Amino acid sequence: EPEVTQTPSHQVTQMGQEVILRCVPISNHLYFYWYRQILGQKVEFLVSFYNNEISEKSEIFDDQFSVERPDGSNFTLKIRSTKLEDSAMYFCASSSRLTSGGTTGELFFGEGSRLTVL
Amino acid sequence: AQSVTQLGSHVSVSEGALVLLRCNYSSSVPPYLFWYVQYPNQGLQLLLKYTTGATLVKGINGFEAEFKKSETSFHLTKPSAHMSDAAEYFCAVTRPDSWGKLQFGAGTQVVVTP
Repeated sequence: EPEVTQTPSHQVTQMGQEVILRCVPISNHLYFYWYRQILGQKVEFLVSFYNNEISEKSEIFDDQFSVERPDGSNFTLKIRSTKLEDSAMYFCASSSRLTSGGTTGELFFGEGSRLTVL
Repeated sequence: AQSVTQLGSHVSVSEGALVLLRCNYSSSVPPYLFWYVQYPNQGLQLLLKYTTGATLVKGINGFEAEFKKSETSFHLTKPSAHMSDAAEYFCAVTRPDSWGKLQFGAGTQVVVTP
């Protein structure tokens, strides 16, 4: 069964360092997303990405964050200068093209990358 | 704005008993509603979804949920709990014109006792 894969599973970094979280979406999917979950809090939407550009982003997704699809398979989330409050589990997700007739493509989530900022 | 409230952060149920997880939503437009499950050390997996049409939707692993517009609810049920149902369950809502931007509830941890 196709799946979304994320690396690393856990990363520890010092405050102020740059971090890149990597995701390999399902191969025929066209929509890509990042979510995060701070420990004890809700899963929060960060950004959606389609056709090589950001479709929508939340208030959390400020200038410290960026996303990129550098090649045909990877989708990355970069945090330029990490802060303590960036510590969270980051989930990548992908979905196929929206279908006609009102049906919609399911989001498939990866297992997450746990980021710890010290 | 949209939001989801899940009643009960932890639910304990006996094996073979009914599982009932409550979800209430707030949405200014007709919502799309979802239930996801997360097993330990795994990603979020879609259990079921409501978009349009039949208000009682069936999902994987014997779960079902009913969309009740008058009650703004989308409660998840399973007639008979199995040990393998122990996991965290998340209700989520989105707008049809903002597909993929899910608003999640806080989650309900389900423990199944023998």
